This record gives sequence, C-alpha cells and structure tokens, in this order.
Amino acid sequence: DQQVKQNSPSLSVQEGRISILNCDYTNSMFDYFLWYKKYPAEGPTFLISISSIKDKNEDGRFTVFLNKSAKHLSLHIVPSQPGDSAVYFCAASVSGNTPLVFGKGTRLSVIA
Amino acid sequence: KAGVTQTPRYLIKTRGQQVTLSCSPISGHRSVSWYQQTPGQGLQFLFEYFSETQRNKGNFPGRFSGRQFSNSRSEMNVSTLELGDSALYLCASSSGVLNTYEQYFGPGTRLTVT
Repeated sequence: DQQVKQNSPSLSVQEGRISILNCDYTNSMFDYFLWYKKYPAEGPTFLISISSIKDKNEDGRFTVFLNKSAKHLSLHIVPSQPGDSAVYFCAASVSGNTPLVFGKGTRLSVIA
Repeated sequence: KAGVTQTPRYLIKTRGQQVTLSCSPISGHRSVSWYQQTPGQGLQFLFEYFSETQRNKGNFPGRFSGRQFSNSRSEMNVSTLELGDSALYLCASSSGVLNTYEQYFGPGTRLTVT
C-alpha cells in the first residue's frame, strides 16, 4: 500500500504561470514533508520542507501548503520557469530516525 | 563541501552475477541511505546505515545487502542479479542527527541487468 501518492504523473504549464503539484498521504503519523526536484541523470535535489506544526512554508518562488485534516500537501511554483522542468517527488517522514517515504513523482514541463 | 559521490555511474551485468556499488557521503555526514528507482515507481528505500550499523531496512529480499565503513563510506551489494534489478540506485547522506530529515542525494548508479 502506497503511503505517499502523487496522482498526476505529469503536468504542463506555461512559463510565467503557476504550477501546482499535489501529494496525498495515508499515514497520519507523518509529521515532516519534503519536496525534491530531479533532473535526468542527476540525483534528487532537496527543494523545500514543512513540519506538521505549520500549514505553509515559503522559499522564494516555492511555497508548500499542508492540510493535515485532508492529509494533503501541495507545492506551488510562481512564476514557473523553463528551468523548473523536472520530476518532482514528495516525501514524508515520521519524527525520529525513520526513512523518507517517497511518492512516484510528477513530471513538470514548463513551456516557453 | 563536496557532494555525495557514487561509483560507478553506469554498470551492465548479466543475470546471476553479483554487483557492488559504492557511495561516499558528504564530509561529516554519518548516515547513508540507499534507494532504488525504477520506471513508474518512486524511490524505494533499501536500507540506512549510521555509524557502521544498519539502522533501518526496507522491504527488499536478502540478495540486497550493504555495509558502512568507519569513514562513513558505504557499499551496496546485490547478489544473483535478476532482470528486475535493473534500476537507478541512489545513495543519500545526512547528518543522522535526530529529527534532521533532509537527505542529499548522489547522481546514482544506473544498473542494467541483461
């Protein structure tokens, strides 16, 4: 059973518009969430994270929103740029020394 | 600081053979985790080593094993390779300190089993 789900395998957005990537989780014990970006032939790069005590975290063009009651989080990229085209992975963890649980990823294409 | 390095970057093996992959974490990081990425799947956790001890283990068969050395470098071994083992194997390092979640990934080793 997949505990972290990214239901959209791909997303296309025009340059300058907002990209919204979604992630759902089933394990209510998760209390820390992360987004990673991955380019081809490279390892994933940490992008932004959020603790369950918050409902929003912002870093430049990237904002992550967390809705604990719905067990849903989303990553907003505004404005989207062609260099943002990559695969985005959502990951979750339970506090303490437990491994990250990843979703299957969403491929974002930003069209110029 | 140098990033996480993995060797080799690409590997082709034959079914039934065994393979060893290597990972050098970021200097000062004591935790190394291994993940398998296959097409259509996310990153699936294999195991984590911290201070030379396996701290967590994913749901993979015993053919997959690993170890960590005193300098935090880690190796992963897969014995009796199967076609389904073809994947990108990613190594990630972190400080390993409690409640530190961010992991830093290497570029991966692309393993092809024929």
